[in-house]
Amino acid sequence: QVQLQESGPGLVKPSETLSLTCTVSGGSVSTDTYYWSWVRQPPGKGLEWIGYIYYSGSTNYNPSLKSRVTISVDTSKNQFSVNLSSVTAADTALYYCARVRAGTGMRTSHFDNWGQGTLVIVSS
Amino acid sequence: QSALTQPASVSGSPGQSITISCTGTSSDVGGYNYVSWYQQHPGKAPKLMIYDVSHRPSGVSSRFSGSKSGNTASLTISGLQAEDESDYYCSSYTSNNTQVFGGGTKLTVL
Repeated sequence: QVQLQESGPGLVKPSETLSLTCTVSGGSVSTDTYYWSWVRQPPGKGLEWIGYIYYSGSTNYNPSLKSRVTISVDTSKNQFSVNLSSVTAADTALYYCARVRAGTGMRTSHFDNWGQGTLVIVSS
Repeated sequence: QSALTQPASVSGSPGQSITISCTGTSSDVGGYNYVSWYQQHPGKAPKLMIYDVSHRPSGVSSRFSGSKSGNTASLTISGLQAEDESDYYCSSYTSNNTQVFGGGTKLTVL
């Protein structure tokens, strides 16, 4: 049973870069069956897809965040990470990493495994 | 990309059936059979309930079912139980090779 675990600072200053890592256990990130994704949820609000990465390094991002976000994968550590630059209070959220089942033709289907989430607060 | 449209809240009594809608466009919900539904209890991570419009993962109760007509997908819960009270989110693949979530629906079991 695959498990995902987020890690990283819980407090980030405005204008700085938020960096989180997701460690995958019980499965490999180097698989053509899945993508690896980040999703966030501001307190009391809904889910927002941030982006995902394929083991090859191919990425896709939410257009609203694309200018500030980078997702990378480290197959040697079985981890993937997200960097979000120039953060503001609006980036305060619970950040989840999740596994995404690939569909046909390199499309993506569904989020079938989630980490427990990590709260990141943007404040000086 | 715009969030998919869900009702903010729905309610039902134990034993009844309820349906939650998820409306998008021909570039997402209407264009692909990659609609999924998630249940999220307070303080917990989302849980996959339905994938590819109408498929149920192993372990999910048969009381949960999904369907789609045009640009609108639906989640139906039959035989409503107290434990079903939760937030529900839909998600869809889009023509931009991205994913988009709905705004979420709070289900109250009366």
